[in-house]
Amino acid sequence: AQSVTQPDIHITVSEGASLELRCNYSYGATPYLFWYVQSPGQGLQLLLKYFSGDTLVQGIKGFEAEFKRSQSSFNLRKPSVHWSDAAEYFCAVPQGGGYNKLIFGAGTRLAVHP
Amino acid sequence: GAGVSQSPRYKVAKRGQDVALRCDPISGHVSLFWYQQALGQGPEFLTYFQNEAQLDKSGLPSDRFFAERPEGSVSTLKIQRTQQEDSAVYLCASSAKSRYTGELFFGEGSRLTVL
Repeated sequence: AQSVTQPDIHITVSEGASLELRCNYSYGATPYLFWYVQSPGQGLQLLLKYFSGDTLVQGIKGFEAEFKRSQSSFNLRKPSVHWSDAAEYFCAVPQGGGYNKLIFGAGTRLAVHP
Repeated sequence: GAGVSQSPRYKVAKRGQDVALRCDPISGHVSLFWYQQALGQGPEFLTYFQNEAQLDKSGLPSDRFFAERPEGSVSTLKIQRTQQEDSAVYLCASSAKSRYTGELFFGEGSRLTVL
């Protein structure tokens, strides 16, 4: 069965520092992979998605993620974090069925120190 | 507005009461989803509509949960005889197409607290 694991519950970084959020997946075939962000008081928003092709995917707000099949990982990165990036980040995979039914990880809460 | 709208944003219910949560998806969006997000957890799938048809209700935790989308736009999630374990944020999401795209547009959620 498909599943997603986000090993880090909380991460704190200083503003301007680099960021990497980890995501490991279990998927029966070539995976589709997603990162969503949930900012305080807002709905979840799609940051980026991987369907196929180039393993380095660019998203919105300066985020990128790299798909590594050998490690079953899809880690999210940002070179320089801004205070407004403080939020909760969710990795997700499809559950199958041909429609947008997603399985989400438990999330990583990011705090940014000034 | 142009986004997914949910109401009420906050609901406090006494155990045993019935509640109804409303979702207004983005206009024209074919697909509508309900998710449940418990404290400290990721969203978990409850049910899926394609237009007015409920094609997947495999995530509904019990027969106390019922969802409808009678005209293919607004949807209501109803929880009967609420229990404390029903306390969670209920998220509604829509997408433009019925086929798989991976992109869902989420509302801000309805936070239900059952006392």
